[in-house]
Amino acid sequence: GENVEQHPSTLSVQEGDSAVIKCTYSDSASNYFPWYKQELGKRPQLIIDIRSNVGEKKDQRIAVTLNKTAKHFSLHITETQPEDSAVYFCAAGTYTGGFKTIFGAGTRLFVKA
Amino acid sequence: EAGVVQSPRYKIIEKKQPVAFWCNPISGHNTLYWYRQNLGQGPELLIRYENEEAVDDSQLPKDRFSAERLKGVDSTLKIQPAELGDSAVYLCASSLGQEFSDEQFFGPGTRLTVL
Repeated sequence: GENVEQHPSTLSVQEGDSAVIKCTYSDSASNYFPWYKQELGKRPQLIIDIRSNVGEKKDQRIAVTLNKTAKHFSLHITETQPEDSAVYFCAAGTYTGGFKTIFGAGTRLFVKA
Repeated sequence: EAGVVQSPRYKIIEKKQPVAFWCNPISGHNTLYWYRQNLGQGPELLIRYENEEAVDDSQLPKDRFSAERLKGVDSTLKIQPAELGDSAVYLCASSLGQEFSDEQFFGPGTRLTVL
């Protein structure tokens, strides 16, 4: 079946450094790629998303890139801050009269002050 | 605007007992999802509703799990009988169900512990 692989599972960076999380997906029909942030004990919340007709999208310190040919996409966080520490999930959505969304296993990001 | 509401927040039961979870989505959201999230894993879809119709329940263990969304608004997810391996957080999410984006709004989840 369809799946989304996410790497690394854990990432530790120094405050101010950049963090990159990578995902690959298997369903070539996927056309929507959201990223969710889940802080400890809280619910996942959307931080940025990208559609398949766009190669890159940026929102302040976060950016996503998408390579449809290779079926992979990445999240980039620049100038990391301690409050960026959380679990980040990538996902791939396929529209079939509604979205079927498959989530990656998550990356636990630690930002050391 | 109120977010997605779930109850209960925590539930501890013994194996073979039944359990039910309730979700009230954001008003106007046609699409409702139930996910199961195991520790250290991403949300795994159990069932997706478009209004009152279950359109994707391929991952729902139908021998013990059931769900309903009467009138296309709130929804219940039931497990009967519960097994030890069902211990997890059960998340409900809702979205507008638009064609070009699908921001899902999650509830706080129900943490189920089966003893």
